[in-house]
Amino acid sequence: AQSVSQHNHHVILSEAASLELGCNYSYGGTVNLFWYVQYPGQHLQLLLKYFSGDPLVKGIKGFEAEFIKSKFSFNLRKPSVQWSDTAEYFCAVNTEYGNKLVFGAGTILRVKS
Amino acid sequence: DAGVTQSPTHLIKTRGQQVTLRCSPISGHKSVSWYQQVLGQGPQFIFQYYEKEERGRGNFPDRFSARQFPNYSSELNVNALLLGDSALYLCASSWGMNTEAFFGQGTRLTVV
Repeated sequence: AQSVSQHNHHVILSEAASLELGCNYSYGGTVNLFWYVQYPGQHLQLLLKYFSGDPLVKGIKGFEAEFIKSKFSFNLRKPSVQWSDTAEYFCAVNTEYGNKLVFGAGTILRVKS
Repeated sequence: DAGVTQSPTHLIKTRGQQVTLRCSPISGHKSVSWYQQVLGQGPQFIFQYYEKEERGRGNFPDRFSARQFPNYSSELNVNALLLGDSALYLCASSWGMNTEAFFGQGTRLTVV
């Protein structure tokens, strides 16, 4: 069965610090990869996605992620975080067989102003 | 454009009761999926429906069932509620079987 591992459950950063959230998945076949964000009191929103093509994917609000197939990884990055980036971030994977998303446990990011 | 809408937003039920949760997908989307999210964990897949047929089922007991209607809206039913069913239930809609999913606000179910 597929699984997704997010390396840190809680991350605290100061504004303007750089962010990298790790995500690794276990599945040997073709995958689609996603990062979702959940701001306090809001629903899950798609931050960025990878289906195919350029492994460096740019999303909303200055976020990007890099798919490294050999490492089964899809890490999320942002060069300079803002207080408004405080949220919970989920990495998710689905396979070519359907839309069953397998989520990681999430990383709670708190940005101090 | 309206996003994915779920009702009710909050629900309190007693052990042993039955509950029905509802979801309206984004207009034009033909697939609806249901997820359960308990505190401290990521959402877990329960069902996917596409064109009114079940296309996937997660590792949940038979007490959980769902259906999709001709207008593509969906209901999730849970029978014989247990305390452990307390969770946020999320509905996601997508245009196709394997396209990006958009989530609703969820229904917070508390079983007492």
